[in-house]
Amino acid sequence: GENVEQHPSTLSVQEGDSAVIKCTYSDSASNYFPWYKQELGKGPQLIIDIRSNVGEKKDQRIAVTLNKTAKHFSLHITETQPEDSAVYFCAALQNSGYALNFGKGTSLLVTP
Amino acid sequence: NAGVTQTPKFRVLKTGQSMTLLCAQDMNHEYMYWYRQDPGMGLRLIHYSVGEGTTAKGEVPDGYNVSRLKKQNFLLGLESAAPSQTSVYFCASRTGADTQYFGPGTRLTVL
Repeated sequence: GENVEQHPSTLSVQEGDSAVIKCTYSDSASNYFPWYKQELGKGPQLIIDIRSNVGEKKDQRIAVTLNKTAKHFSLHITETQPEDSAVYFCAALQNSGYALNFGKGTSLLVTP
Repeated sequence: NAGVTQTPKFRVLKTGQSMTLLCAQDMNHEYMYWYRQDPGMGLRLIHYSVGEGTTAKGEVPDGYNVSRLKKQNFLLGLESAAPSQTSVYFCASRTGADTQYFGPGTRLTVL
């Protein structure tokens, strides 16, 4: 079946360092890959997304890269701040075009 | 715009009781979704709807029913709650460009 694997499950970095979260997907027909940030007690919020016709997208300190051949995509956060601490989820659109398959999440802790 | 809202925020049920969770969106989105979130399991799709009057099963539909009588509302029902349904439930709605927006969640405990 369609599957999204996400690593690592937990990540601890010092403030100012970079953080990288990686995901792989199995459905070669997937063409939309969003990333969500979930703070404690809240719903997931979209932070960045990428489509299969581009290899990289950047929004200030956040960037996402996509390698369609290898079927993996990554989230890069530079100059991390304590408020970046949260759970991050990657997802891939199913080939039906209706639903997303989510990774199991990465708990990021940024220590001052 | 309120975005996606969910009612109630918290609920405690006894095994065998029934309840309905309400999701409402004011963004005129066609697609709506119900997910459950359990520790270490990420977000799993229960049911979804691609338009008013339509519903479809997701990854974990057993024990749940849904209805989409109005475009702005998507209801999730538990007819006979079980402890395994203790979870946090999230509703989402989607733009035509695939982006899903999530509600704040409902924390359900079944004793």
